[in-house]
Amino acid sequence: NAGVTQTPKFRVLKTGQSMTLLCAQDMNHEYMYWYRQDPGMGLRLIHYSVGEGTTAKGEVPDGYNVSRLKKQNFLLGLESAAPSQTSVYFCASSLFRDIVPYEQYFGPGTRLTVT
Amino acid sequence: AQSVTQLGSHVSVSEGALVLLRCNYSSSVPPYLFWYVQYPNQGLQLLLKYTSAATLVKGINGFEAEFKKSETSFHLTKPSAHMSDAAEYFCAVRRANSKLTFGKGITLSVRP
Repeated sequence: NAGVTQTPKFRVLKTGQSMTLLCAQDMNHEYMYWYRQDPGMGLRLIHYSVGEGTTAKGEVPDGYNVSRLKKQNFLLGLESAAPSQTSVYFCASSLFRDIVPYEQYFGPGTRLTVT
Repeated sequence: AQSVTQLGSHVSVSEGALVLLRCNYSSSVPPYLFWYVQYPNQGLQLLLKYTSAATLVKGINGFEAEFKKSETSFHLTKPSAHMSDAAEYFCAVRRANSKLTFGKGITLSVRP
């Protein structure tokens, strides 16, 4: 199993450009998440999905959109990139269990720089 | 709202010394707590998790954590630090829909 994979690993954008980050998981997990990691701030949840075709906002959703057309994929889009979106982006997935909390499995990250 | 606090941003220990990384949580209900480790330029990896089965939780790489309800703490320890333990460590608490709230993280350095 590849686990959680992210594409691309690195990207440099100019302000105003758009891009899509792809997350894929092969563990048949129901839940998927997008985080951003900034120095001294830990990980902050951008958007998440509890199943195919459903998405919800996290703590810092502004400037981002997501889609989950297939269970194994979760896309994060930046329509008009801003320097404040320079960050490392992590995707994660987890099983759904209402009582027993299963951990989240993380991808290797995408380092995005917006100039 | 459930949250976690990791005091300090950096801990430095000598190789072979005790590692102690602190985590305190605030939760109105019994929490589910996690410790993750992030090695340089990598994603996060689960070290251990507390799910109320036992207060002393053993994880990978010789780490363990003890849940203390009276102190609202879930500190991470390792008896003897190794150079390979140098990394960033995150404490997290589970919220609804299996979402996690992470602490700000703490960087562990190990001196030879």
